[in-house]
Order: sequence, then C-alpha cells, then structure tokens
Amino acid sequence: AQTVTQSQPEMSVQEAETVTLSCTYDTSENNYYLFWYKQPPSRQMILVIRQEAYKQQNATENRFSVNFQKAAKSFSLKISDSQLGDTAMYFCAFRSNFGNEKLTFGTGTRLTIIP
Amino acid sequence: DVKVTQSSRYLVKRTGEKVFLECVQDMDHENMFWYRQDPGLGLRLIYFSYDVKMKEKGDIPEGYSVSREKKERFSLILESASTNQTSMYLCASSFLGGSGGFDEQYFGPGTRLTVT
Repeated sequence: AQTVTQSQPEMSVQEAETVTLSCTYDTSENNYYLFWYKQPPSRQMILVIRQEAYKQQNATENRFSVNFQKAAKSFSLKISDSQLGDTAMYFCAFRSNFGNEKLTFGTGTRLTIIP
Repeated sequence: DVKVTQSSRYLVKRTGEKVFLECVQDMDHENMFWYRQDPGLGLRLIYFSYDVKMKEKGDIPEGYSVSREKKERFSLILESASTNQTSMYLCASSFLGGSGGFDEQYFGPGTRLTVT
C-alpha cells in the first residue's frame, strides 16, 4: 500500500517570501500521479498542482511549482511571493495508475502567511 | 464550473441515530468518493463508487455504508452513529480513467458531523 508523509504539521512565513512544503511517498509503482491540494479556512479543497510521474519536467502553475525527485520519492511544493490568500491547509496526495482511482493523502501542513 | 454539493455544512446527531450524508455533483463524473478528515490524520477514504449501484470499500469502511442509485448522487450512511464518528466528511468526484489533466478530484464543502 502506498503511504504519503508530510513531516511539517505547521509552517509560517512572512508575506512575499518563498516557502517550501515537503512531501515524501512510498510506492513500488513506476507510473502514478501526485497532487497538492489546498484547503483554505472554512472553504472547499481545491487542486493546486499536479505531476505525472513519467514526466521529468517539474510542474509549474503561476507562483506554485514542485520539485519532483522520483528516485528519492519526494514531491515538495514551492510557493513564491506568498500572499495572505495562501493561508490554508495543504495536502499532498498520491494516485496510482492502476486499479482504483482513490487518492492517498498525507496528514497535511497548516501554512500561515504573516502580513 | 464543477460543483459538488453536500446536504449539510453542520450536523449534530445523537449516539445510535441513523445518519444520512448526501452528495451531489453536476459534472457527469463516474467516480464519487467519501472521505473523513481528522486533525493529524489527513483525509482517509471510507467508500468510493465508479458507477451507479457499484461501490468499493476504502481504508476505513467500518460503521459506514453507501448508496448510489443515480450517477450524480452518492450517499454516506452511518447505521448507528457513535461518538468516534464525529468528524469532517468530504465528498469528491472525478472522471473515470481520467488522465492528462482530467484526473482531478473535485471536492464538496464538507459536513462537520458531531455525535453526542
């Protein structure tokens, strides 16, 4: 079974700074999908960024980028020029390319952006 | 925009009651999921369904059942609610076999259930 580990329960950073959230995972598969989801306070979970394991290029979405290290099974999220609206719980998630399409989530990192 | 709605944002029930949580999606998604979210544990999958009347157990199905009579609706049932089922419940949906950008799960706003 796959596992996803987020070792930073809480983080805080000053507005406009850059912050990196860590995620490691364990799988024996070669093809899979990785996601970062954001859950703002009292609001719906939304997808931030996704990465397909067969793609070597790191995904980027505006101020959000990932550092995908397949051999190390590491998938960190970098937020550049952080904004107050980035304050949220962030979850890393794994989806197998085989069998059912469930997501396996990490325990989350609560990120606070300080004005 | 994809919309996933859940019947209640907050719910308070008594121990032993039968509880129904409803989820509706409007994107014609085949997959639907029920997760529970607890502090320090992240999201854990309870049940999922990839078609009408089809269901599969997730990681923590004990004490729960589900029903999917129509493609757009997926219900989570607590047959006899217990205090350890106090939690946030999140519904999600996605395309079956989605890839290349179509693999995203869309989440509802959640139902915070308290069992007293």
